[in-house]
Amino acid sequence: EPEVTQTPSHQVTQMGQEVILRCVPISNHLYFYWYRQILGQKVEFLVSFYNNEISEKSEIFDDQFSVERPDGSNFTLKIRSTKLEDSAMYFCASSDSGFLAKNIQYFGAGTRLSVL
Amino acid sequence: QQQVKQSPQSLIVQKGGISIINCAYENTAFDYFPWYQQFPGKGPALLIAIRPDVSEKKEGRFTISFNKSAKQFSLHIMDSQPGDSATYFCAAINYSGAGSYQLTFGKGTKLSVIP
Repeated sequence: EPEVTQTPSHQVTQMGQEVILRCVPISNHLYFYWYRQILGQKVEFLVSFYNNEISEKSEIFDDQFSVERPDGSNFTLKIRSTKLEDSAMYFCASSDSGFLAKNIQYFGAGTRLSVL
Repeated sequence: QQQVKQSPQSLIVQKGGISIINCAYENTAFDYFPWYQQFPGKGPALLIAIRPDVSEKKEGRFTISFNKSAKQFSLHIMDSQPGDSATYFCAAINYSGAGSYQLTFGKGTKLSVIP
């Protein structure tokens, strides 16, 4: 079964450093998403991406965050200057349809980001 | 407005029992309601979903009940098994524009099914 792949599984960084989280969505999917889950809390929407541009972003997704689809397979989330409160599990998701009933978002296993 | 409230936070059920998780929402713009199952170390995986014009949907041992007037929906797991032990998230989807749908998650319910 096709799956969303995220690397690395765990990223440790110093506060103020830049990190790039990588995702390979399912190959025929067109809609891409990033979510985060702070330990013990709910999964929160960060951003959606379609047709090489951001479709929607939450208030969490401030100027420190950016997303990119640098080639036909990868989808990245960059945090420019990490803060302690950015420590969380980051999930990438993708879907193949813009139709509501078929908008099944498939999630990767996540990248645990630890900011020290 | 964008919140989805989920309860209980944790649930312990005997094997063979019925697990019931409840969710409520405020935003009437939500128009699709999925449930996700998450095992430790894994991402959320879609379990079952329902449209608001349907009052109940059943897939195997999993049933969603939906009450549109009360803005509430619930997940019932019949004949609960130890393998069902996971965190369950209710969610709601609304169209956020430009062909994009936004998922709003509840806080999750950690289900433990004991033998």
